[in-house]
Amino acid sequence: EAGVAQSPRYKIIEKRQSVAFWCNPISGHATLYWYQQILGQGPKLLIQFQNNGVVDDSQLPKDRFSAERLKGVDSTLKIQPAKLEDSAVYLCASSLDLIRTEAFFGQGTRLTVV
Amino acid sequence: AQTVTQSQPEMSVQEAETVTLSCTYDTSESDYYLFWYKQPPSRQMILVIRQEAYKQQNATENRFSVNFQKAAKSFSLKISDSQLGDAAMYFCAHTAGAGSYQLTFGKGTKLSVIP
Repeated sequence: EAGVAQSPRYKIIEKRQSVAFWCNPISGHATLYWYQQILGQGPKLLIQFQNNGVVDDSQLPKDRFSAERLKGVDSTLKIQPAKLEDSAVYLCASSLDLIRTEAFFGQGTRLTVV
Repeated sequence: AQTVTQSQPEMSVQEAETVTLSCTYDTSESDYYLFWYKQPPSRQMILVIRQEAYKQQNATENRFSVNFQKAAKSFSLKISDSQLGDAAMYFCAHTAGAGSYQLTFGKGTKLSVIP
């Protein structure tokens, strides 16, 4: 079974530039999560999708972050414009459904904003 | 607010010995899940062990076991017969409630294994 795929693995951009991250969840997984992991901290949930609908985006900084999950499969997380404090690892995870099933994580994208 | 506290930023253990990582949490939910995740340098979060809050019996997974004290909101991880491959960051996490798999993570404990 293929795991959660994320790209790119690394990205370096200047502040005020835009960046996008891509996630392909495990086939058949209806629920998809984006987490932000700042160095020295645990991951923090940014947004949760169920199929192509948003379940929770209460911690997503909507003035600069946006995410979509077209056709309920792949997802894209965008930052525009980036700030220095956005430097972090962005982790994508997926699970079969909303409840009582294990979430599987991708290897993440390390973003450095200079 | 839901919080997870891991009071040990770093721990070390001799190979083949036993180590215990601590975790306390705060939630108003009565039914939830608790987890320990391992994050090696590859950055991928790997599930180590899971505990359902309504179960009194402590979860065990090969060399990994937990001590779950629901009243004290404590959830420690014991690694027996430590191996070099166990070296990683370990994160304690819990769900928002039984109806959701959103995870709240602690800050992690870096475990080193000494040959």
